[in-house]
Amino acid sequence: DTEVTQTPKHLVMGMTNKKSLKCEQHMGHRAMYWYKQKAKKPPELMFVYSYEKLSINESVPSRFSPECPNSSLLNLHLHALQPEDSALYLCASSQDPPSATGLETQYFGPGTRLLVL
Amino acid sequence: AQSVAQPEDQVNVAEGNPLTVKCTYSVSGNPYLFWYVQYPNRGLQFLLKYITGDNLVKGSYGFEAEFNKSQTSFHLKKPSALVSDSALYFCAVRTPGSSNTGKLIFGQGTTLQVKP
Repeated sequence: DTEVTQTPKHLVMGMTNKKSLKCEQHMGHRAMYWYKQKAKKPPELMFVYSYEKLSINESVPSRFSPECPNSSLLNLHLHALQPEDSALYLCASSQDPPSATGLETQYFGPGTRLLVL
Repeated sequence: AQSVAQPEDQVNVAEGNPLTVKCTYSVSGNPYLFWYVQYPNRGLQFLLKYITGDNLVKGSYGFEAEFNKSQTSFHLKKPSALVSDSALYFCAVRTPGSSNTGKLIFGQGTTLQVKP
């Protein structure tokens, strides 16, 4: 089973709102990722968590705040977003954390489609 | 710098015909190559990867890809296309020991349209 689940599927929020995206995997994977994807474009890496610790932040604005409460859960807290932040937010996980081998395969969830008004 | 190119924005093929989605890469060192597929309003699904060994890699849903080191290519193929194969396909690369550890470098994507 290579299932990554994400909630909610859709989210509409105003620029002053605070909301959170959730991601869950029960495959025992030790790394989890957040990506942002615009329509018809490749995903852009935002954050990587390895063993529940933030290991990579791709210079993401502070209005996006990730959190990894435990090895199965990954949250993305959103605050004071801009309309240009509207996108599909994808969560992924891999069995092993990013390493020098590069062998790990990332498995993606279905995404949360976010619209910021 | 590492990069991946998918030279075709869209590929059109008739159902039952063979399909090829092209991917070329530019990396320093040995590449690890991946193909993902994205159906409308869905996340990315892993199809196959090349790490080492046999240049012909078989993956999910009858897809395969051939690693060609001399041409720096990793084209995705399927002998007989199905209408349900219509989707957006992404090629991606990693290299070991990269300073961007954890980062998949994606191509721009190719939309495959299979017509009945």
